[in-house]
This record gives sequence, C-alpha cells and structure tokens, in this order.
Amino acid sequence: GESVGLHLPTLSVQEGDNSIINCAYSNSASDYFIWYKQESGKGPQFIIDIRSNMDKRQGQRVTVLLNKTVKHLSLQIAATQPGDSAVYFCAETGNTGKLIFGQGTTLQVKP
Amino acid sequence: GAVVSQHPSWVICKSGTSVKIECRSLDFQATTMFWYRQFPKQSLMLMATSNEGSKATYEQGVEKDKFLINHASLTLSTLTVTSAHPEDSSFYICSAMPGQKLEKLFFGSGTQLSVL
Repeated sequence: GESVGLHLPTLSVQEGDNSIINCAYSNSASDYFIWYKQESGKGPQFIIDIRSNMDKRQGQRVTVLLNKTVKHLSLQIAATQPGDSAVYFCAETGNTGKLIFGQGTTLQVKP
Repeated sequence: GAVVSQHPSWVICKSGTSVKIECRSLDFQATTMFWYRQFPKQSLMLMATSNEGSKATYEQGVEKDKFLINHASLTLSTLTVTSAHPEDSSFYICSAMPGQKLEKLFFGSGTQLSVL
C-alpha cells in the first residue's frame, strides 16, 4: 500500500549545526509534499511545502529538496536551535488528495 | 494566520462512557475537516473526512458507529467516541481547510483522551 517513511527515527545534532531529515515516499503519483513540526502534546505545525514540479524550495532557515527519481524528500534546517527540537513529519497527497503522513523523525538539539 | 481550535485539550473518562471533541475554525469557513488519531511515538493516522452538511467518509478499519462525526456548520465539526474503552486512549487531532486546497490545511492543538 501507500506509505511514506523516514530513514531515521531519531536525529541528534549540536546547536548551531545544520540538520537534515530524510523521507522516502512510495507513491510516484503524489504531486504535493509538506513538512510538519510537532511539539509534544500539540498538533502539527506547517513548516514548508513543495510541489512535484520543483526540486528545491527555501524558507527561513529551512530548505526542502525533492528527488522524484528516487522518491526522496529531505528537510534541511540551518543553524539548528534548541527550539527546533520536535518530531518532524513529511506528508504527501497520494492518489486520494488526502495527506498521508510518514512515521516521523525526532530531532534532538544538544546545547 | 488561520486558527483551528480544538476542545478539550485533554479528557479522562471512565470505560463505557462517551466523549465529545470539538473542532472549530475560528476565522474561516471549513467545508472539509479531517480527524486524525495518533498513538505515542507514532504517526498521524487519518480516521475520517468530515464534510459540512453530509455524512463523514471513514477510512478503512475505522468504525463509524464507534467514532461519530458531525459537521453541522461550516465552522464546527465534532468527534464523539462512543462507549470508550482503554484501547481508545489516544491523541486525537482535527484539521480544517477553506475550500479544497491542502496548502491551506490547519491543525488543531489535539485532544489527549485517557480512558480508565
């Protein structure tokens, strides 16, 4: 079935370093992808999105890269801060137009 | 930005009772709302799609008689967990969007349900 997965369940980085969170998706028909940040006990918060006709999109301190050839999505966070500590999910639209969430990566930022 | 309010943020109930969770779009009209369920350290699983004025569409494996969804107005959808059991304990999250654009999907803050 359709699935969106992440390569690593936990990522630990030093404050100030760059973070790269990866995601593999299986549905080649997906045309829209979103990265969310979820802090403990809260709902997901939109970070950045990208459409399938693009391979890179930048926001403030964040960049999303899309490689459709290998069905891979990544989120890069520059100069990671303690406030970035959270669980990060990628999500894709799949065939149905509904959001399918990946399993999540926990980002731990060490001071 | 757009705000989706979810209430209550946490609830504890006895086994066999029913619990209602509300999801409100505060500054836009939401023709579509989604309800998700999330177990600890797991991803969000879509339970159902709630459409204003019509019956909800449930995902495979979700009992519609167990999880009653009502979307009576363009700003309010409710999820009622009927005859709750300990295995229903979970984090429930709603999301809403104006129109059909997922780019405009906003999430509530979630409801932690604990069934004793």
